Amino acid sequence: EAGVTQSPRYAVLQEGQAVSFWCDPISGHDTLYWYQQPRDQGPQLLVYFRDEAVIDNSQLPSDRFSAVRPKGTNSTLKIQSAKQGDTATYLCASSRTGGHTEVFFGKGTRLTVV
Amino acid sequence: GDSVTQTEGPVTLSEGTSLTVNCSYETKQYPTLFWYVQYPGEGPQLLFKVPKANEKGSNRGFEATYNKEATSFHLQKASVQESDSAVYYCALAPGSNYQLIWGSGTKLIIKP
Repeated sequence: EAGVTQSPRYAVLQEGQAVSFWCDPISGHDTLYWYQQPRDQGPQLLVYFRDEAVIDNSQLPSDRFSAVRPKGTNSTLKIQSAKQGDTATYLCASSRTGGHTEVFFGKGTRLTVV
Repeated sequence: GDSVTQTEGPVTLSEGTSLTVNCSYETKQYPTLFWYVQYPGEGPQLLFKVPKANEKGSNRGFEATYNKEATSFHLQKASVQESDSAVYYCALAPGSNYQLIWGSGTKLIIKP
């Protein structure tokens, strides 16, 4: 089966610019996660969905970050007015509901804000 | 709150030597424990879900053990190879929560 697909793989922005990241989860996976991974750190959960519903977005900087999954399949994470502190790799992951099943990660989008 | 603490890195080993990475956790809920591996330029991959207390799991030559009384779990490999160079993460799913609590990662460097 195809894995989790993310695009773009890399992005370089000036401070203040906006950027969107796109994720296509594994077919049939109802749960989708967005993580932020700063360099040399572990992944930090930003938001996760079950189908189209946001289950937890408490770690999402809501003033500049937004995430949607309108049809319960693909998802978009958007950063408005990026800051240098947003420099990180943004990982999308998906899993099936039901017990602690394996979470599959995409390769990520490496964002650099200069 | 829930937390995971793991062996600090980087850990540098020579090929053929043994590896142990330790993790301890805190949670008031029933834990499910995982080991993930992340190679450069890739997302984390599940190495394995840690089996029940006092049982051993294995995958790709790695073994995991879990000490419920000590709230700790360990990743071991008897003889590492250069291809094992990566960052290893332990992670905790507390109770029925689907969110993973991640350790800080242990970077493993294998010298040929």
